[in-house]
Amino acid sequence: DTAVSQTPKYLVTQMGNDKSIKCEQNLGHDTMYWYKQDSKKFLKIMFSYNNKELIINETVPNRFSPKSPDKAHLNLHINSLELGDSAVYFCASSQLFGQVAGELFFGEGSRLTVL
Amino acid sequence: QKEVEQDPGPLSVPEGAIVSLNCTYSNSAFQYFMWYRQYSRKGPELLMYTYSSGNKEDGRFTAQVDKSSKYISLFIRDSQPSDSATYLCAMSAGVGNQFYFGTGTSLTVIP
Repeated sequence: DTAVSQTPKYLVTQMGNDKSIKCEQNLGHDTMYWYKQDSKKFLKIMFSYNNKELIINETVPNRFSPKSPDKAHLNLHINSLELGDSAVYFCASSQLFGQVAGELFFGEGSRLTVL
Repeated sequence: QKEVEQDPGPLSVPEGAIVSLNCTYSNSAFQYFMWYRQYSRKGPELLMYTYSSGNKEDGRFTAQVDKSSKYISLFIRDSQPSDSATYLCAMSAGVGNQFYFGTGTSLTVIP
């Protein structure tokens, strides 16, 4: 059973379209994250939710809107897609926000290509 | 300037070699230092984590932290083809603070 699962794994779409990525974790963790990994493998945090509450909102265009219906799910909706949005988006979870004694558990990533 | 700097490589070594991967950082508040391994088309997985300065060993892997130089290293002894992956360092000031990742070093171990 996959601990952090995200769908879809691959997305190819045209500029200007809207798309969503879904994430679910079955670890019972309180905190979930969205990270963006660019072509140079740089992993940058976008959002973090703790128990359905937004606690980190990095400098991300407001075309990106996260939603957490419950603490096991964190979705990412992107409006008006641009070429620069092409990247791999990773969902992750941890027991507590910024927990270091434990670890961040990552999903397998959703590879978004904007044409 | 990024919080964490990491040489992206790529690094290619023969099987059995000792590999040294490094990161530098600028934020003296960082107390926790982690290494994640990411196989191709997969998410990162925690390999090791260290608190403050010092060394930590786990099998063929040794993590070193030198806070005075703001420099961390991961050593892999007797490298294996299965070690071929991207290695990302990550750092945090502690619970309640976000992680900052390096750009990752791509490693290939040639049989």
